[in-house]
Amino acid sequence: KQEVTQIPAALSVPEGENLVLNCSFTDSAIYNLQWFRQDPGKGLTSLLLIQSSQREQTSGRLNASLDKSSGRSTLYIAASQPGDSATYLCAVGPDYKLSFGAGTTVTVRA
Amino acid sequence: EAGVAQSPRYKIIEKRQSVAFWCNPISGHATLYWYQQILGQGPKLLIQFQNNGVVDDSQLPKDRFSAERLKGVDSTLKIQPAKLEDSAVYLCASSLGRGANRRYGYTFGSGTRLTVV
Repeated sequence: KQEVTQIPAALSVPEGENLVLNCSFTDSAIYNLQWFRQDPGKGLTSLLLIQSSQREQTSGRLNASLDKSSGRSTLYIAASQPGDSATYLCAVGPDYKLSFGAGTTVTVRA
Repeated sequence: EAGVAQSPRYKIIEKRQSVAFWCNPISGHATLYWYQQILGQGPKLLIQFQNNGVVDDSQLPKDRFSAERLKGVDSTLKIQPAKLEDSAVYLCASSLGRGANRRYGYTFGSGTRLTVV
């Protein structure tokens, strides 16, 4: 059974600082890894998807890396803004059987 | 494009009562998922439909939970009778297909927050 762990559970940084969020998984036989954002009272919004054959994906200020051999992924958010405050969850696929971590709740202080 | 619609947004019930949640997926999405997200945890898949057939319900507590997707469009999730530990956010998601690599537009609704007292 796939176990997904995200550490830390919560993170508070001043505006402008770079964010580093970690995700680890136990079974390296994955199809893909996705990072989602969840705002309070809202559903999940997909941020980045890394297929198992890829090492990283970038979108704007977001960059996600994947190291299957070590069972780890890292989400980097450059130059954080108060609007980045949310819970970030990682999930390993395939799509039809996603296993989620518990998330890291980020607070960016103005 | 309209998103995944869910109702109600919030529901408070007493234990042993019954409750039902409704989901309307994105038009044309063949696959529909119900997830349970307990506070402080990641979402857990309860059931997955492909059109109106159940593909995976291995984590659905079938003694109290049931779900249906009539005509392969809307879906309802029911809990009867509810227990305190059922307090959670119930998320619905839909996608065009069951692709392994998300080429099919996986979209979540805003969820229904259930509190059982």
